[in-house]
Amino acid sequence: KAGVTQTPRYLIKTRGQQVTLSCSPISGHRSVSWYQQTPGQGLQFLFEYFSETQRNKGNFPGRFSGRQFSNSRSEMNVSTLELGDSALYLCASSLVGAGYGYTFGSGTRLTVV
Amino acid sequence: GQQVMQIPQYQHVQEGEDFTTYCNSSTTLSNIQWYKQRPGGHPVFLIQLVKSGEVKKQKRLTFQFGEAKKNSSLHITATQTTDVGTYFCPPISPSYGGSQGNLIFGKGTKLSVKP
Repeated sequence: KAGVTQTPRYLIKTRGQQVTLSCSPISGHRSVSWYQQTPGQGLQFLFEYFSETQRNKGNFPGRFSGRQFSNSRSEMNVSTLELGDSALYLCASSLVGAGYGYTFGSGTRLTVV
Repeated sequence: GQQVMQIPQYQHVQEGEDFTTYCNSSTTLSNIQWYKQRPGGHPVFLIQLVKSGEVKKQKRLTFQFGEAKKNSSLHITATQTTDVGTYFCPPISPSYGGSQGNLIFGKGTKLSVKP
């Protein structure tokens, strides 16, 4: 079966611009989470969506936002990009319930110049 | 929130040697999951442990959950170059409304294997 698909794979943006990243979860997975990975901070949780509602949010500024659609696909948006937003952005999806792990996508590598 | 300390942070082994990484929590965990991230890759779910004292094996990998459910370990027998990567044991922070919750990643243990 298809895995978690993230688009685009690579992105270069200029400071001050905004960016939208997309994530298509595995069919049937309704829980979608986003993570930011940098060499300095490691993997940090951004937000989680379930049934089109944000269920939890990490410690990131309001420039980071997201949403989930009725088909469970999710997007995250970063406005007013800063150099420090350069990172690998990972999306993970999961079935809900004990015993289910998270399946990660390959990520979107964002470079802000 | 839940914090899990993982040791060692780095481990260099000769191919064929065994390797163990440990996760320790100050609070009781309802369950623990293990993930592996290869260099340049994304985290991959390995296993979940739920029961006190649980031991699970996947080929050369042995996972244990402590009796008090506060610690866990991953042991790899006779490491191979394919075992290279960072191993994580992130606890799950629950969310409301029936969702799955989110993973709280630490630094993990970075394993390098010399052929």
